[in-house]
Amino acid sequence: DTEVTQTPKHLVMGMTNKKSLKCEQHMGHRAMYWYKQKAKKPPELMFVYSYEKLSINESVPSRFSPECPNSSLLNLHLHALQPEDSALYLCASSQDIFAGQGYEQYFGPGTRLTVT
Amino acid sequence: AQSVSQHNHHVILSEAASLELGCNYSYGGTVNLFWYVQYPGQHLQLLLKYFSGDPLVKGIKGFEAEFIKSKFSFNLRKPSVQWSDTAEYFCAVNAGTTDSWGKLQFGAGTQVVVTP
Repeated sequence: DTEVTQTPKHLVMGMTNKKSLKCEQHMGHRAMYWYKQKAKKPPELMFVYSYEKLSINESVPSRFSPECPNSSLLNLHLHALQPEDSALYLCASSQDIFAGQGYEQYFGPGTRLTVT
Repeated sequence: AQSVSQHNHHVILSEAASLELGCNYSYGGTVNLFWYVQYPGQHLQLLLKYFSGDPLVKGIKGFEAEFIKSKFSFNLRKPSVQWSDTAEYFCAVNAGTTDSWGKLQFGAGTQVVVTP
């Protein structure tokens, strides 16, 4: 099974709401990632988790709060978002993060987020 | 900081034509190189990757890419495209330094449209 699942598929939220995105993989991967992708643009890295610890935060605003409860699960908690945060949020996983080993990232289908 | 540039943003070609998409990166150290494809309405999928060994790598669906270290390039090729190759193609690079482990830097993407 090489699947990364994400829920929900679509989410509409107001600027005062609190919501969460969920990502799951059962490939035994020890690294998980959140990306943001705007229309017609490449994915932009937000966070990297390695062995359930936050490894990289790409200066993401605190209204995005990641959480890795276990090695298979990754959440992204959203609070007080702005309309410009509307985008496709992608989750990915890889066997590990060490470079030079060619570990590829497997991507989920994404959550289409609209902030009103 | 590493950067990835893709030469063409939009390519239109007929079925059976040959395809070559250019990708150059700026990092001079050890790199892992990837080509991902995003078909309309689908999630990002890995086409092929290079991290060591033979610089000519073969991927899925008849694609291949050549790593030329002296030119910092990793160009993607397919001898004869099909209508089903219509998609967005992303070159991505992960540099081999410890502070960038897990960071996948994407190029801007090339939209390829294959006409029947």
